Amino acid sequence: ETGVTQTPRHLVMGMTNKKSLKCEQHLGHNAMYWYKQSAKKPLELMFVYSLEERVENNSVPSRFSPECPNSSHLFLHLHTLQPEDSALYLCASSLGTGLNEKLFFGSGTQLSVL
Amino acid sequence: GESVGLHLPTLSVQEGDNSIINCAYSNSASDYFIWYKQESGKGPQFIIDIRSNMDKRQGQRVTVLLNKTVKHLSLQIAATQPGDSAVYFCAETLPTDTGFQKLVFGTGTRLLVSP
Repeated sequence: ETGVTQTPRHLVMGMTNKKSLKCEQHLGHNAMYWYKQSAKKPLELMFVYSLEERVENNSVPSRFSPECPNSSHLFLHLHTLQPEDSALYLCASSLGTGLNEKLFFGSGTQLSVL
Repeated sequence: GESVGLHLPTLSVQEGDNSIINCAYSNSASDYFIWYKQESGKGPQFIIDIRSNMDKRQGQRVTVLLNKTVKHLSLQIAATQPGDSAVYFCAETLPTDTGFQKLVFGTGTRLLVSP
C-alpha cells in the first residue's frame, strides 16, 4: 500500500461518454500528478498540481480536464475520448516539486475507450 | 533533449544470479536519477536514487551506478529472487521554466527470474 488510492481500477467507456478518474493520497503531500502509461512507451507526464495550483500542463488535449479541489484529492475528467486514449492512467504524489522529490504512485486506472 | 532510454527490453536470469539493468540518458544537466520497479497490476514503486555528485549508491541488495562521462546509469540486483520479476524504469529529473523538477522516464526493462 503506497498511500495513494485510485478509483476505479478499470473503466470501459464509449467515445461519447463522460467519466471521471479519482485519486486520493493519505501521505500529507503537497503535489499530485497524472501520468499516462501506454504499452511500450515511457510514462508520459500529463498534469502537475502543487498546493492545488496547476504548475505543469504537458500539452494534453482538452478532452482531459484535471481538477484538484484540495491537496489530498485529484480528479481527471474525461469526455469525447478517442480509442488511442486507452491506457493505464497513474496518479502520483510527492512532498514537493523540487529536486530529490520521490513520487509515490497509485495502482492506476486501466482505461479502455471503445 | 528529453530522452531516457534502456538498452534491453527484456532480461531473463536464474534465481540467485546477479542482474544488471542499464539505462542511457541524454541530458548532461540532469542532477538526480531514480530507479522504479513496477509489478503487474501495480504502479511504479521507488527502489533507489542517486545524485549527480555521486557515482555509486547501495541499498538492500541493490546498487545504482552513475557514469556521467558516458551518461549511463545501471541498477544491479544481487541474488535475484522470483519476487524481483517486474518492469524496471530509470528516470532523470529535468528543470523546467516554472522551477518544477520534471521526472522523465525510460521505456522500461522487463526482468524475468526463473527458479
